[in-house]
Amino acid sequence: GAVVSQHPSRVICKSGTSVKIECRSLDFQATTMFWYRQFPKQSLMLMATSNEGSKATYEQGVEKDKFLINHASLTLSTLTVTSAHPEDSSFYICSARTGSSNSPLHFGNGTRLTVT
Amino acid sequence: DQQVKQNSPSLSVQEGRISILNCDYTNSMFDYFLWYKKYPAEGPTFLISISSIKDKNEDGRFTVFLNKSAKHLSLHIVPSQPGDSAVYFCAARAAGQNFVFGPGTRLSVLP
Repeated sequence: GAVVSQHPSRVICKSGTSVKIECRSLDFQATTMFWYRQFPKQSLMLMATSNEGSKATYEQGVEKDKFLINHASLTLSTLTVTSAHPEDSSFYICSARTGSSNSPLHFGNGTRLTVT
Repeated sequence: DQQVKQNSPSLSVQEGRISILNCDYTNSMFDYFLWYKKYPAEGPTFLISISSIKDKNEDGRFTVFLNKSAKHLSLHIVPSQPGDSAVYFCAARAAGQNFVFGPGTRLSVLP
């Protein structure tokens, strides 16, 4: 099956620093990847849609200058949390589709970010 | 405005019995639905899907039922196993749109 690898799985950083999270599709090419954030006991909230070779599309309320998304190739998208603050602490998950919009999303294992 | 609702935050079922997880939606344009299973500190895993042209889809122990008139879908797991204990999310989308996820239901299968 389609495999999406997300790294790191866990990161602790100091307030004011930046953190980069990588999302790779290991055995397929993903023209579109998605970045989600999950708060405790809440659903997955779509942050942005990452399109290979073009700018990401951000959901309403998501600061694009704070959450930088780069989709440099068909197998890699990165999310950089810039000038992290404790309120950015959360579980971030990426996903990718293998084909058309009717294809299920395949998720990475997520990244637990803790900002101290 | 929550377009996809899972009104039961948790559910406990005895091993071997049937688990029924429910999901309601408000957007009549939704035409494709997915169920995901999520263990703690892991990403969701795709379980089963159904499109609006069907009212039932079955895959092994998992069956999804769709009632379009009621805007309701359900996931049946039978027989339930302890390894099924996880959080289950339903997701829905309209054509050309992104998936919208429900808040999830935590299933506990008791041995």
